[in-house]
Amino acid sequence: NAGVMQNPRHLVRRRGQEARLRCSPMKGHSHVYWYRQLPEEGLKFMVYLQKENIIDESGMPKERFSAEFPKEGPSILRIQQVVRGDSAAYFCASSPYSGSGHTEAFFGQGTRLTVV
Amino acid sequence: AQSVTQLGSHVSVSEGALVLLRCNYSSSVPPYLFWYVQYPNQGLQLLLKYTSAATLVKGINGFEAEFKKSETSFHLTKPSAHMSDAAEYFCAVSSNTGNQFYFGTGTSLTVIP
Repeated sequence: NAGVMQNPRHLVRRRGQEARLRCSPMKGHSHVYWYRQLPEEGLKFMVYLQKENIIDESGMPKERFSAEFPKEGPSILRIQQVVRGDSAAYFCASSPYSGSGHTEAFFGQGTRLTVV
Repeated sequence: AQSVTQLGSHVSVSEGALVLLRCNYSSSVPPYLFWYVQYPNQGLQLLLKYTSAATLVKGINGFEAEFKKSETSFHLTKPSAHMSDAAEYFCAVSSNTGNQFYFGTGTSLTVIP
């Protein structure tokens, strides 16, 4: 059973370009979380999704950022018109939901975005 | 509302010494608590979790943590530090009704030879 797969591992974008980060959850997991980690900082929650549904996007910046988790295919975190401040490591995690609560979140290796 | 506070962003211990990383939580419902470890340029790996069973939880690599409701704490310990324990450690809280895992800001552990 493969773990959470994120790609690409490293992404370089020029200011103003779009960045697309992909996350394939573990098999059988229907819940995906996206976190951002800035240097010397902890993990900041961005968004929580189920398939075809955004559950909680309270951590998403109001502009330029969007996320989706379609019925088929990976979850996508999209950043439009990137700026230098978007440079960070973006982690995806997935979790199964048993009906009685969440178990632990399983993390991917992250995508390190560098905006030049 | 739920949150965690990790006291001490950097901790240094000598090889063979006790490791103690502090985590205090805030939760209005019974919490689920987690410790994760992150090695450089890697994702987070689960060390251990508390989900309302035994209050003393044993994890991987010789780590353990004790849930103390009266102190709202879930400190991580290891009797004897190894060089390979040098990493970033994150405490997190969730609940059986919550949507999110709330993470602390992390504690960077340095092990001195």
